[in-house]
Amino acid sequence: AQSVTQPDIHITVSEGASLELRCNYSYGATPYLFWYVQSPGQGLQLLLKYFSGDTLVQGIKGFEAEFKRSQSSFNLRKPSVHWSDAAEYFCAVGSFGNEKLTFGTGTRLTIIP
Amino acid sequence: EAGVAQSPRYKIIEKRQSVAFWCNPISGHATLYWYQQILGQGPKLLIQFQNNGVVDDSQLPKDRFSAERLKGVDSTLKIQPAKLEDSAVYLCASSLGDRGTEAFFGQGTRLTVV
Repeated sequence: AQSVTQPDIHITVSEGASLELRCNYSYGATPYLFWYVQSPGQGLQLLLKYFSGDTLVQGIKGFEAEFKRSQSSFNLRKPSVHWSDAAEYFCAVGSFGNEKLTFGTGTRLTIIP
Repeated sequence: EAGVAQSPRYKIIEKRQSVAFWCNPISGHATLYWYQQILGQGPKLLIQFQNNGVVDDSQLPKDRFSAERLKGVDSTLKIQPAKLEDSAVYLCASSLGDRGTEAFFGQGTRLTVV
């Protein structure tokens, strides 16, 4: 069965600082991997996805993520965060064939001035 | 392009009552998902449709939850009777259904059972 672990429940960073959110997955084959962001009261918006090819993926809003098969990880990074990045971030893994998406428990990001 | 539409946005009901949620996916999207998101948790898949057929409903509490997707387009999710632990945001999402395509989410329906 596929699963996702986001070990950090809550992260606080200063505006302008760099950010890394961790994601580890469990899946028997090559997975699809996604990062979604959720602002309060809103649905989920896709930041980026990994399907195949280049393991460093660029997304919207200046985010990037790196797929590391040996570590079963897909960490999200941003070199300099903005106050508007404060939100909940979810990592998800998808499976071939039935396109089922399994989400992690999320990481809440707080930005301090 | 219009996004995934859900209604209502908010619903408050008493336990043992019934409730229904409606979802209109993005036009042309073959796959439709219903997720339950309890406060502080990630979305949990309740049911997944491919056109009007069910792909996965393994986590749907079938004694009280039901869902249908008429003509492979709109979908309704019903809870009858509701329990306190059903308080959550119910998210509908849709995708083209091809390999690796992203799911687009609606804003969700926040259900409070009192």
